[in-house]
Amino acid sequence: DAGVIQSPRHEVTEMGQEVTLRCKPISGHNSLFWYRQTMMRGLELLIYFNNNVPIDDSGMPEDRFSAKMPNASFSTLKIQPSEPRDSAVYFCASGGDYSNSGNTIYFGEGSWLTVV
Amino acid sequence: AQSVAQPEDQVNVAEGNPLTVKCTYSVSGNPYLFWYVQYPNRGLQFLLKYITGDNLVKGSYGFEAEFNKSQTSFHLKKPSALVSDSALYFCAVRDIGDFNKFYFGSGTKLNVKP
Repeated sequence: DAGVIQSPRHEVTEMGQEVTLRCKPISGHNSLFWYRQTMMRGLELLIYFNNNVPIDDSGMPEDRFSAKMPNASFSTLKIQPSEPRDSAVYFCASGGDYSNSGNTIYFGEGSWLTVV
Repeated sequence: AQSVAQPEDQVNVAEGNPLTVKCTYSVSGNPYLFWYVQYPNRGLQFLLKYITGDNLVKGSYGFEAEFNKSQTSFHLKKPSALVSDSALYFCAVRDIGDFNKFYFGSGTKLNVKP
């Protein structure tokens, strides 16, 4: 199995630009999560989906952030406009159906975002 | 409130010695507990989980964890540490009483010295 695939792995962009991060979950997984990791805040859950439907987006920092999951094999996290404080590692994770508490979630390698 | 606490930011151990990375939790329902490891510049990798049954859970790379309900703890252990075990370790709890949300601890940096 290829695991969770994220792109781009690294991105450097200028403040004010739009950033789109992409994620392909593990085939057959029903749930998908977006996390952000920084030294200051640790690992933060931004949003999660089950069966392509957003369940909880209360972790999304502000309106500049949006996430979509148009189908079972693809999700995007968009930041528009980007700001230097958005610099972080963004992880996508996927797992079995969210209703099954025993399901493990598996992480991608992350997208390392730097906004200058 | 639901939470996971990893009381030690860093744990230092000599190679060959046993290691313990501590985790305590607080949930409203039955806990489903997980340990993940993160190597530098990598994503989090699943190590092991406790769902039900035997309180001692065995996982990848020789790691195990002991669930203790009375102490609300889920400490990660390994009998003999390797230098290659040096990494960041995260404990997580999934709370079925809170819509199955995952809560991650702040992480513990394990340093294994030769």
